[in-house]
Amino acid sequence: DTGVSQDPRHKITKRGQNVTFRCDPISEHNRLYWYRQTLGQGPEFLTYFQNEAQLEKSRLLSDRFSAERPKGSFSTLEIQRTEQGDSALYLCASSLGRGDSYNEQFFGPGTRLTVL
Amino acid sequence: ELKVEQNPLFLSMQEGKNYTIYCNYSTTSDRLYWYRQDPGKSLESLFVLLSNGAVKQEGRLMASLDTKARLSTLHITAAVHDLSATYFCAVPVYSGGGADGLTFGKGTHLIIQP
Repeated sequence: DTGVSQDPRHKITKRGQNVTFRCDPISEHNRLYWYRQTLGQGPEFLTYFQNEAQLEKSRLLSDRFSAERPKGSFSTLEIQRTEQGDSALYLCASSLGRGDSYNEQFFGPGTRLTVL
Repeated sequence: ELKVEQNPLFLSMQEGKNYTIYCNYSTTSDRLYWYRQDPGKSLESLFVLLSNGAVKQEGRLMASLDTKARLSTLHITAAVHDLSATYFCAVPVYSGGGADGLTFGKGTHLIIQP
């Protein structure tokens, strides 16, 4: 049973460095989402892909954040010039996007980012 | 802007007791999701509620949806320690291109003590 996978699971970086996270969705899922979760809060929606098209990116937190899904399979989330406030758990989710699936989103284990 | 509010945010209860978590949301939605999160872990899907009056049950957990009141409940029956976790409700926000990213409540941190 292959679920959503994310890499790395943990990332420690210094302020000002760039970081990139990878997400591999469930293989037949055409929809992919990125979320950020800070301590004591629910996940916050960042961006959405349908296949390779990024159809919602207005919720990305700043222009330092960008995401790609070049072939409609795996996705990457990049944060440039990291700040201490970027420390959080970054979650990826995927869904089938078909009517009878109720578009249920399945989450990966997340990448925990710590910015020193 | 859609707001999702859960209460209580923190709940400590004894094994064997019953309790209900409430989830209110501010705008019309056609569905609502419940997730569970264990410490340091990701989110596990519990229920998808699709219509007014929907009720779903899995073991000691039962979820319901009242779309007119914009209210969902998660009821715990005869709680056991294994149900200790944080529970989130979430509602989709539809935007460009059919995007349906979820807006989550702050979560209910549930501790069940022997």
